[in-house]
Amino acid sequence: GAVVSQHPSWVICKSGTSVKIECRSLDFQATTMFWYRQFPKQSLMLMATSNEGSKATYEQGVEKDKFLINHASLTLSTLTVTSAHPEDSSFYICSAPTRQEGTDTQYFGPGTRLTVL
Amino acid sequence: GENVEQHPSTLSVQEGDSAVIKCTYSDSASNYFPWYKQELGKGPQLIIDIRSNVGEKKDQRIAVTLNKTAKHFSLHITETQPEDSAVYFCAASINAGNMLTFGGGTRLMVKP
Repeated sequence: GAVVSQHPSWVICKSGTSVKIECRSLDFQATTMFWYRQFPKQSLMLMATSNEGSKATYEQGVEKDKFLINHASLTLSTLTVTSAHPEDSSFYICSAPTRQEGTDTQYFGPGTRLTVL
Repeated sequence: GENVEQHPSTLSVQEGDSAVIKCTYSDSASNYFPWYKQELGKGPQLIIDIRSNVGEKKDQRIAVTLNKTAKHFSLHITETQPEDSAVYFCAASINAGNMLTFGGGTRLMVKP
């Protein structure tokens, strides 16, 4: 299947600092990527849709000024958690749809674990 | 919007037995139903998916069935092995290029 990578795989930061998470499609181009958040022992919840060359679309209840998304190229989307607080500690996962052999499929990255002290 | 319910939340089976996980969805416009396996600390891994134009799909020990009329779909794993132990998520979407709505997850434990 297609490969989606994330960097870093984990990060620990102090409260009030900003953290940037990268999501890359390694072997395909993605005009759209999705960012999900997963709290321990819970399901994945969509945060926002990242669109290459335009503004991201945020889900209800997700603060766009706190979770900045930039999709500057067809293979890279970044999520910046600004002024992070302990309640932002979570597992952040991106996904990207692609077409392979005429079939559309969506692949996920390995996730980034954010811990805010 | 779409709402996906998944049952059971935990499932324990003996190695070699079958495991069945069921999901229901609410939006009749949904046409794409993937299943993901998530191991601890890792991202979800696509294991099988089905689209609304078929009722069943099989890949070795894994099969998925879809009943669009009743708005439910199920994952069947036969001859379970300890390495099948993980959390499984169902999801629904209009198509594979769109946002996914996930079920609550099922923690499958396969006892040797």
